[in-house]
Amino acid sequence: DAGITQSPRYKITETGRQVTLMCHQTWSHSYMFWYRQDLGHGLRLIYYSAAADITDKGEVPDGYVVSRSKTENFPLTLESATRSQTSVYFCASMAGGSYNEQFFGPGTRLTVL
Amino acid sequence: GEDVEQSLFLSVREGDSSVINCTYTDSSSTYLYWYKQEPGAGLQLLTYIFSNMDMKQDQRLTVLLNKKDKHLSLRIADTQTGDSAIYFCAESFNSGNTPLVFGKGTRLSVIA
Repeated sequence: DAGITQSPRYKITETGRQVTLMCHQTWSHSYMFWYRQDLGHGLRLIYYSAAADITDKGEVPDGYVVSRSKTENFPLTLESATRSQTSVYFCASMAGGSYNEQFFGPGTRLTVL
Repeated sequence: GEDVEQSLFLSVREGDSSVINCTYTDSSSTYLYWYKQEPGAGLQLLTYIFSNMDMKQDQRLTVLLNKKDKHLSLRIADTQTGDSAIYFCAESFNSGNTPLVFGKGTRLSVIA
């Protein structure tokens, strides 16, 4: 499928488990982002990547790990899930340059019990 | 610092105009954006304005930018029930290659 996809769309897990959320884009965009969306907080940036093998922390990186071995993929791993990580997670990509339209995936709703 | 502020809720009657406001703090912003998020979906770009413009019109949408006051607004004419969504204001900076800074979003409810 063309565009940006996320999997799974819904996930329920337990405290302490490792969870990986996948993000894939077909445009070869240089930049990719992970956000979490929580009521009252809007969108908060977790991590972003400017290119393969280049990642940087955002506003709320604690408890998350990212990697980017290929341009098109940007997985987000919760190494030991906590209840406070229950959220909706959005991946986005962007070509870069002065005009920065970010394209968002459909989101993954994660519940940590 | 970077901060984008929006009111959280707006309710309007179908057929009326909606005005969603946003203030930002960084005067070096180059582009300012409005994104729309429909229920259960990701954000989609609605419109944008370059920082050297005062106004941009696109069908029912009008964006006004007041750089002196660092104020951005989105006006939706003849608001429809399909316009019910969360609207996010966002800004980007000189280099362009930095993450957008988003406001918390304004939830627009349209009453039939």
